[in-house]
Parts: sequence; structure tokens; C-alpha cells
Amino acid sequence: GIQVEQSPPDLILQEGANSTLRCNFSDSVNNLQWFHQNPWGQLINLFYIPSGTKQNGRLSATTVATERYSLLYISSSQTTDSGVYFCAVAGANSKLTFGKGITLSVRP
Amino acid sequence: DVKVTQSSRYLVKRTGEKVFLECVQDMDHENMFWYRQDPGLGLRLIYFSYDVKMKEKGDIPEGYSVSREKKERFSLILESASTNQTSMYLCASSTSGTGERTKGYTFGSGTRLTVV
Repeated sequence: GIQVEQSPPDLILQEGANSTLRCNFSDSVNNLQWFHQNPWGQLINLFYIPSGTKQNGRLSATTVATERYSLLYISSSQTTDSGVYFCAVAGANSKLTFGKGITLSVRP
Repeated sequence: DVKVTQSSRYLVKRTGEKVFLECVQDMDHENMFWYRQDPGLGLRLIYFSYDVKMKEKGDIPEGYSVSREKKERFSLILESASTNQTSMYLCASSTSGTGERTKGYTFGSGTRLTVV
């Protein structure tokens, strides 16, 4: 199956800083999603982005499908951005495979 | 907004018990999924369903079964619970419809199951 690698595994930021989270995948995909899991365990879909660039407030994402990576940008980070960020991809079999996640801690 | 509701937030069961985890979604989504999440292993797909009465095995189906008798409800069954099934269980749904916004998964808040 498709392999998904996220980096860095852990990230500590001061409030107000910007950050870039990376997702590499091993094969062609037709589905790529970014999720945020808050400290209470709830997973929230941030972006559906198999290719191209999208923005939603302080968050934006870019997927370069031909080079098999996606980036999630967080600008002006806030303490509520803390949690785990997952990248998940699916290829022809349509089964979404998750990366191990990136744990982000934003300090006030 | 789409809502995916899991029946229990916390559950404690004994080894050998039959356990039912229920998931209900209210947006007429065709697709429903069960994942388990364990530290260091991320989310792993147990079973999924693309339609009523249809089911397909995910990556770790052993020890589990599922039921989808109605479109809005997808049940995960542990036939004989074991301690290695202690985990966080997450249900998700999505639509097969067109349009980018419809392709994203919506997750429930999870059920933390402890088997003793």
C-alpha cells in the first residue's frame, strides 16, 4: 500500500510564529486530506487537497502531486492550534492511509 | 454541518464479552469507516462500507465484524473482546458525491475502549 511519512514528528512554537508541516507519499494519489486532532481526541478535517493550493484563514495547504508531497502552512500560530496534525492519502483502492502525525505544541 | 455520533465516549468491558460500538451519521453519506488509533501506530482502518449491507475489510479486520443495515448506522462488533483490542475507536463518514468539499471525511469524537 501507499506509504505516508510526515515531518517533523514534533514541533514546538511560540505563539505568533509560522510553521510548515510536510507529508511525503510513495505513490500516485487521488485523495489527500489534512486533519487536526485536538487534545480531546476529535479529528477535524482541514483540507481535501489531492492537488493545488487552498487557504482557509491562517491555514493553507499545497499538494504537488507529481513530486508526491503536500505542505500545511500555519501562520500566526495560536495555542488552540496545538494538537496532532495528520496527513491521509488514498490511491486507486480508495482506502485512506494515515501518516503517524505531527504533534504541535504552541506556547503562550 | 455533518455530524457523526458515536454512542459511547468511554467503555470498559471484560475479556470474552461481545462488544458493540455504534456510529450514526446524519448527512446521508454513502461511505462509512471504522478506525482504531494506538500510540505510535496512528490510525488504522478496520472495516469500511460503501453502501447498505456492503462491507469491506480494511488493514486490520481480524477479531472484528461490522453491520450496516441502515444507511446512517455502521456498527463495529468485537465478537470476543481481548485485551489487545483496548484502543481508541473512531468512526468516519464521507460522500461519494461530486464536488471537492464533499470528499473530506467527517469523524466522530471516538470511543475509548478498555478491555480488562
